Amino acid sequence: GAGVSQTPSNKVTEKGKYVELRCDPISGHTALYWYRQSLGQGPEFLIYFQGTGAADDSGLPNDRFFAVRPEGSVSTLKIQRTERGDSAVYLCASSVGLAEGLTGELFFGEGSRLTVL
Amino acid sequence: DQQVKQNSPSLSVQEGRISILNCDYTNSMFDYFLWYKKYPAEGPTFLISISSIKDKNEDGRFTVFLNKSAKHLSLHIVPSQPGDSAVYFCAASMQTGANNLFFGTGTRLTVIP
Repeated sequence: GAGVSQTPSNKVTEKGKYVELRCDPISGHTALYWYRQSLGQGPEFLIYFQGTGAADDSGLPNDRFFAVRPEGSVSTLKIQRTERGDSAVYLCASSVGLAEGLTGELFFGEGSRLTVL
Repeated sequence: DQQVKQNSPSLSVQEGRISILNCDYTNSMFDYFLWYKKYPAEGPTFLISISSIKDKNEDGRFTVFLNKSAKHLSLHIVPSQPGDSAVYFCAASMQTGANNLFFGTGTRLTVIP
């Protein structure tokens, strides 16, 4: 498709389980971002990739969260030992590159809604 | 600490009238500001942006005003249309050296036909 694709759209899991969320960015976009939006809040930055490397992971809340982008395209956000507080919508965004990403727009996917019971 | 604040969680406006959405920020290092619009079950979509070297940017029915001394920006929509009903997020970035956007908590706009 033409836009950022995220799967699954909804994920319900139990406390303590492991979860993977996938993001397929717009073709040709080198920059990829993960954000988290909790209920009633705006999106909060988690991690940014430029190509294959995590250029900025300062937003990851703790070491249970990890993200990869092995081939510079698809990215996976991994959450270990999930907690109820991890429940949120996880948004992925992409842009053509660093400079354009900051001066223009990020293209967001529809998000993956994670519910931890 | 919330560096970008939208103090009005909701706003209702009659169709055809002006909608004014407000945003305040605390970090003086921010020099690029954006507005995103979000419909239910969709990701945010970019609407309009402004650099700190400007105080106004206009795109059709949408105008963003920036008051750097007050650390305040606003989005004006005129005339408002029912299709404008959505949640509007204000966002800010430091154009150099930072790779992320700081978002406000959003304002839900309802345009009444």
